[in-house]
Amino acid sequence: EVQLLESGGGLVQPGGSLRLSCAGSGFTFSNYAMSWVRQAPGKGLEWVSTISGSGDNGDSTYYADSVRGRLTISRDNSKSTLYLQMNSLRAEDTAIYYCARDFGDSGYYPIDHWGQGTLVTVSS
Amino acid sequence: AIQMTQSPSSLSASVGDRVTITCRASQGIRDDLGWHQQKPGRAPKLLIYSASTLQSGVPSRFSGSGSGTDFTLTISSLQPEDFATYYCLQDYEYPRTFGQGTKVELK
Repeated sequence: EVQLLESGGGLVQPGGSLRLSCAGSGFTFSNYAMSWVRQAPGKGLEWVSTISGSGDNGDSTYYADSVRGRLTISRDNSKSTLYLQMNSLRAEDTAIYYCARDFGDSGYYPIDHWGQGTLVTVSS
Repeated sequence: AIQMTQSPSSLSASVGDRVTITCRASQGIRDDLGWHQQKPGRAPKLLIYSASTLQSGVPSRFSGSGSGTDFTLTISSLQPEDFATYYCLQDYEYPRTFGQGTKVELK
């Protein structure tokens, strides 16, 4: 069974940093592209970033304009873990952050599994 | 960026009703569209991918259709567990974009 478990959320001040993690199990982590999607309180879903899997060299990354230059996606296939380094955080980054798996490795497949999410609150 | 416009934004229906939700893309996206269901306080769940392929384990009362710019999610006979918010998501190109969601409520 595919499982995705996020961690690392919490309260951070504006301008601060946070690193989210997502541990994958039940599948060969390196073979799949992985994504982060967020949901602000009471709002809809917003795609944040995607990183390709090992079949695509694992070095292709994609970002929403709203986070490019501040948030960085990465992965450690030896630990089956996805990361999101969040710097220069703003109040509008407050959201539940979901980890998600794609069907395949290239970053051009649909999302097929979701984690339970971790809450990030940016506030002074 | 490709804009995904869902309609309606909300609807009220009864158990047993046939429900249709539409999603329109601002440009052609072939069949690179998925439908995701989200219940309150829960993570989303994939229902349909590639516009019309039912994800494993999803009840057959859910179906999807469309290609290019116009897509439809249909629930043939609404069940109590189907009251939720539904989102379309295009994965044709980056940035990936979601529709704004359709909340299905009990009439």
